[in-house]
Amino acid sequence: AQSVTQLGSHVSVSEGALVLLRCNYSSSVPPYLFWYVQYPNQGLQLLLKYTSAATLVKGINGFEAEFKKSETSFHLTKPSAHMSDAAEYFCAVTGMDSSYKLIFGSGTRLLVRP
Amino acid sequence: NAGVTQTPKFQVLKTGQSMTLQCAQDMNHNSMYWYRQDPGMGLRLIYYSASEGTTDKGEVPNGYNVSRLNKREFSLRLESAAPSQTSVYFCASRTDRDTEAFFGQGTRLTVV
Repeated sequence: AQSVTQLGSHVSVSEGALVLLRCNYSSSVPPYLFWYVQYPNQGLQLLLKYTSAATLVKGINGFEAEFKKSETSFHLTKPSAHMSDAAEYFCAVTGMDSSYKLIFGSGTRLLVRP
Repeated sequence: NAGVTQTPKFQVLKTGQSMTLQCAQDMNHNSMYWYRQDPGMGLRLIYYSASEGTTDKGEVPNGYNVSRLNKREFSLRLESAAPSQTSVYFCASRTDRDTEAFFGQGTRLTVV
């Protein structure tokens, strides 16, 4: 069965520093992987997705993620953090049954220090 | 273009009361989902509907029921609310396994 694991429930960076949020997946077949962002008291918004077209995926707000099959990873990065990036980030994988349901990791809260 | 609309946004229930959370999408998606979000646990799937007329249990279905009223609407019912059901509930919809899932703004439910 598909699953994702997010390492680090909280990550703190300084404004302008590199952001690295970790996600590892478990899947017996090539996965469809997603990163979502949730700002306080809001719903989830798609940052980017991997669907096997390219291993380096660029998303909104300057974020990108690289699919590494050998490491079963899909880590999210941004070269320079901005205060507005403070939010909770979720990695997710699509289950392989006909429901198309998304299976989420436990989330990582990003804090950006001035 | 509203996307996914959930009502209500906030609700306080007493233990044992019942209520229905409403969800509607205007994107002609076949698949709809109900998740609950609790601190440190991400989003957990309660029920889903892969297409109009079908529903199935997710990871945490106990204490809930659902109805797929038509292609647009998917409701979640708590028959006898318990404090353990205090959570934020999200409805979502999508069209295929490699496409974006769209989420509503959430319902913050407190059971006292």
